[in-house]
Amino acid sequence: EPEVTQTPSHQVTQMGQEVILRCVPISNHLYFYWYRQILGQKVEFLVSFYNNEISEKSEIFDDQFSVERPDGSNFTLKIRSTKLEDSAMYFCASTRDRGSNEQYFGPGTRLTVT
Amino acid sequence: KQEVTQIPAALSVPEGENLVLNCSFTDSAIYNLQWFRQDPGKGLTSLLLIQSSQREQTSGRLNASLDKSSGRSTLYIAASQPGDSATYLCAVMNTGFQKLVFGTGTRLLVSP
Repeated sequence: EPEVTQTPSHQVTQMGQEVILRCVPISNHLYFYWYRQILGQKVEFLVSFYNNEISEKSEIFDDQFSVERPDGSNFTLKIRSTKLEDSAMYFCASTRDRGSNEQYFGPGTRLTVT
Repeated sequence: KQEVTQIPAALSVPEGENLVLNCSFTDSAIYNLQWFRQDPGKGLTSLLLIQSSQREQTSGRLNASLDKSSGRSTLYIAASQPGDSATYLCAVMNTGFQKLVFGTGTRLLVSP
């Protein structure tokens, strides 16, 4: 069964460093998402991406964040200058159709900022 | 702003019991509602998706219902098993948006 994959599974970085989190969505899906979950808190939406552009973003997704689909398979989230409060589990998700189909989530990348 | 609440926060039952998890949302203008399972330190596994026009969906021992007008959904798990132990999350997508808004989850423990 197709699945969303994410790399790395765990990333440790120092405050102020740039990180890139990578995702490979399910191949025939058209909508891509990033969510995050700070330990013990709710899963929060960051950004959605469709047709090579951001279609929706939250207040969390400020100028320090960017997303890209550099080729036909990868979907990346870049954090330019990490802060301690960026420490969280980051989930990538994809769906074939915006509302008619389930969003499928990857296993997540645990980001630890020290 | 959509707010999603799940009760109870935690639930412990013996194996074999039927149980109900509750989800409520403040804005009834939803496009769909999705139930997920999350194992500790893991990703989210989709269990069921209910469109706003539907009343319920079933998958195996799971049955999810939706009452959009009252802002409620329930997840019914029949004949619970220790392998059902996980956190169950409810998430809604509002009409006109693409994001899912998540509840805080119900942590379920099924003991043998």
